[in-house]
Amino acid sequence: QKEVEQDPGPLSVPEGAIVSLNCTYSNSAFQYFMWYRQYSRKGPELLMYTYSSGNKEDGRFTAQVDKSSKYISLFIRDSQPSDSATYLCAMRETSGSRLTFGEGTQLTVNP
Amino acid sequence: NAGVMQNPRHLVRRRGQEARLRCSPMKGHSHVYWYRQLPEEGLKFMVYLQKENIIDESGMPKERFSAEFPKEGPSILRIQQVVRGDSAAYFCASSPGTPEAFFGQGTRLTVV
Repeated sequence: QKEVEQDPGPLSVPEGAIVSLNCTYSNSAFQYFMWYRQYSRKGPELLMYTYSSGNKEDGRFTAQVDKSSKYISLFIRDSQPSDSATYLCAMRETSGSRLTFGEGTQLTVNP
Repeated sequence: NAGVMQNPRHLVRRRGQEARLRCSPMKGHSHVYWYRQLPEEGLKFMVYLQKENIIDESGMPKERFSAEFPKEGPSILRIQQVVRGDSAAYFCASSPGTPEAFFGQGTRLTVV
């Protein structure tokens, strides 16, 4: 069983839709949770970072962590064509330990 | 403040040659991580280094692969005697010791 599971998609939505991206994990020691966005042939770009359970909002993006269910989500409101990319969840046990990534979800926002 | 710099961006090597990938972390960052990404796959951890020390190399293949992060200069990922299966994108990330890690644009290695 993989430590982090993420539906690879692809996910296709119309412009303006609310997008929900999710990951589940099995390692209860994970404490730090991140979402990265990766455009084709580019490096991953850090979008959101949360510690432990709770919500965090940044503009059109909201990250949620439910440690009791070992489930994290990223919501994108008013999605734009420029949001079309692969979204990767990542998590780590301590601030200095390695990041463990999901496989990534490929998102396309259609104008 | 420049981001994480990786070079070269593209590298072509013949089977049996050595590949040397470089990573300069962001200013003030002393933690470096190397990841490998195969087409249509996620990022797989290889090695975590701090200045002059390897902290975690549990994702590194036991043979042909090595990494270093000297006191001065960039971190180097070295692959000896490359094979076709080494073809991938190699990403470096750096961190100042906080949970966030910032990635470079990667080096795309092609073995012919």
